[in-house]
Amino acid sequence: GNSVTQMEGPVTLSEEAFLTINCTYTATGYPSLFWYVQYPGEGLQLLLKATKADDKGSNKGFEATYRKETTSFHLEKGSVQVSDSAVYFCASSSNDYKLSFGAGTTVTVRA
Amino acid sequence: GAGVSQTPSNKVTEKGKYVELRCDPISGHTALYWYRQSLGQGPEFLIYFQGTGAADDSGLPNDRFFAVRPEGSVSTLKIQRTERGDSAVYLCASSLMGQANTGELFFGEGSRLTVL
Repeated sequence: GNSVTQMEGPVTLSEEAFLTINCTYTATGYPSLFWYVQYPGEGLQLLLKATKADDKGSNKGFEATYRKETTSFHLEKGSVQVSDSAVYFCASSSNDYKLSFGAGTTVTVRA
Repeated sequence: GAGVSQTPSNKVTEKGKYVELRCDPISGHTALYWYRQSLGQGPEFLIYFQGTGAADDSGLPNDRFFAVRPEGSVSTLKIQRTERGDSAVYLCASSLMGQANTGELFFGEGSRLTVL
């Protein structure tokens, strides 16, 4: 089955710093890949996605590119803000109902 | 509200007791999912409903866990003879149809279960 491994945290950054969170996947076939985010006191929500190789997902200044050759989907943001403090989850799916999540990375951005 | 609602938000119980966790999905969403998130881990799939029927319950850890969705809307996750290892946050999500491969799942805030 599918599985996802993501960089362990926690990660603490200063405002305007560059953020990268590594994520690699294992799967039979070519899964869809996602980054979900959980802000304090809120439910998980989709941040961005890519459904095939070389696709780039982007949202709120975050980007991730589906790399088949390295089985990776690393999350990046060039200049983080305090409001980006959250837990970030990498996930994959090969069907229409089951997501496989990584363990999550807690990001704290200091002013 | 318009989002997925889960109750209770927190539940503390004693080992061996019976627990019910409720999920009220977004109106009109036919697909409903339960996930479990243990401390320090990502959510793990438990069960998926399409309408009233459980299309896949392969993630339920054992026969102490059961979930229903009798009218195709509200779902209840039932845990019998709770054990300390059941302590986790139980997440519910809904979508218009099975859409995990598009990521368009809407998650509730979860029910935190603590078994003493």
